[in-house]
Amino acid sequence: EVQLVESGGGLVQPGGSLRLSCAASGFTFSMYRMSWVRQAPGKGLEWVANIKEDGSEKDYVDSVKGRFTISRDNAKNSMYLQMNSLRAEDTAVYYCARIVVVTAKLLDHWGQGTLVTVSS
Amino acid sequence: SYELTQPPSVSVSPGQTASITCSGDNLGEKYACWYQQKPGQSPVLVIYLDSKRPSGIPYRFSGSNSGNTATLTISGTQAMDEADYYCQAWDTSTVVFGGGTKLTVL
Repeated sequence: EVQLVESGGGLVQPGGSLRLSCAASGFTFSMYRMSWVRQAPGKGLEWVANIKEDGSEKDYVDSVKGRFTISRDNAKNSMYLQMNSLRAEDTAVYYCARIVVVTAKLLDHWGQGTLVTVSS
Repeated sequence: SYELTQPPSVSVSPGQTASITCSGDNLGEKYACWYQQKPGQSPVLVIYLDSKRPSGIPYRFSGSNSGNTATLTISGTQAMDEADYYCQAWDTSTVVFGGGTKLTVL
């Protein structure tokens, strides 16, 4: 069974940093691209970042470029999101999701999410 | 940047057919996915490649995509289908979500 478990969320002051983790199990992690998606309270889904299977390619939404860094450790079946210079508008539940390529790419499994609150 | 537009809300009576649209420039030239999200839960993929259902998704969920509009159709809508629905497509290497549609079954 595919499982994705996020951790590392919490309360942080504006300008602070936080590192989120996504632990994967139930599939060969190194064979899949992965994604971070966030959802502000009461709002819709917003894609944050993707990372290729071997970590060689990374893509980010414009609003986090230069502040967030996505990475992965295939030996530990884990993905990370280092978030620096956090702003109030980064407050959201952060989900990790697996990307599957079936003719086109899709996000087929999602974790339960971890809440990040940026507030003084 | 590429944008997808959904109606904020759709209402349907139990047993009737609900249709949720998603509009984007030449969306029909891309593949659309749909996700269902119930309160307090993670999104669940219900349609991919415009019209395919993942294993475990009921037959009443179907999808289409042509021109500038993708449509999620729920036939014989049940109370358990009440949720937020998001369309999604890829713009080169980035993921684009629609704003979401709240489906109310009343």
